[in-house]
Amino acid sequence: DGGITQSPKYLFRKEGQNVTLSCEQNLNHDAMYWYRQDPGQGLRLIYYSQIVNDFQKGDIAEGYSVSREKKESFPLTVTSAQKNPTAFYLCASSAVEAFFGQGTRLTVV
Amino acid sequence: ELKVEQNPLFLSMQEGKNYTIYCNYSTTSDRLYWYRQDPGKSLESLFVLLSNGAVKQEGRLMASLDTKARLSTLHITAAVHDLSATYFCASGIQGAQKLVFGQGTRLTINP
Repeated sequence: DGGITQSPKYLFRKEGQNVTLSCEQNLNHDAMYWYRQDPGQGLRLIYYSQIVNDFQKGDIAEGYSVSREKKESFPLTVTSAQKNPTAFYLCASSAVEAFFGQGTRLTVV
Repeated sequence: ELKVEQNPLFLSMQEGKNYTIYCNYSTTSDRLYWYRQDPGKSLESLFVLLSNGAVKQEGRLMASLDTKARLSTLHITAAVHDLSATYFCASGIQGAQKLVFGQGTRLTINP
């Protein structure tokens, strides 16, 4: 089945640690996105990519990094510079329609 | 810069009633999306609207797009409890491939 797969579903980060969230799609979409959602809030754009080896900062890119080495994959690294990373992270891909993965819930411990 | 605003942000209604959620966007856009989100879950795609005057319907939900007014609406007909969720609209421009979301409308339907 075609779709977007995010992993892990739950992730715990210690203070000062970098963690990487995985996002893989088999929809052959060029565009991919990372959003952050805080409880009871909307979605804020972290990074997006229109094509392999190219990506742009969204509205809240500080403390995050991405790569796009393959069309299918758009991993997000939450670095130690992100001081308040606890949130629900959503990955999406689009051609005409835009579809979302199931999300990763990140908690700082 | 593309901005998207929804209203109302909170909506409590009774089963059987009709209501409309509004989505305004600030600059020219060639696509408008509606999504549903249940608590603790990801976003489920409901509709994508691509042209002025586009109307799509699925069950008790109907979405429309007026590109001249930069307005989309999501109309709920004869609401049922199962439609309780948060609804988001999003606007984008194909060339920029950047999707911008509204704040979401938290809909509660009471028996």
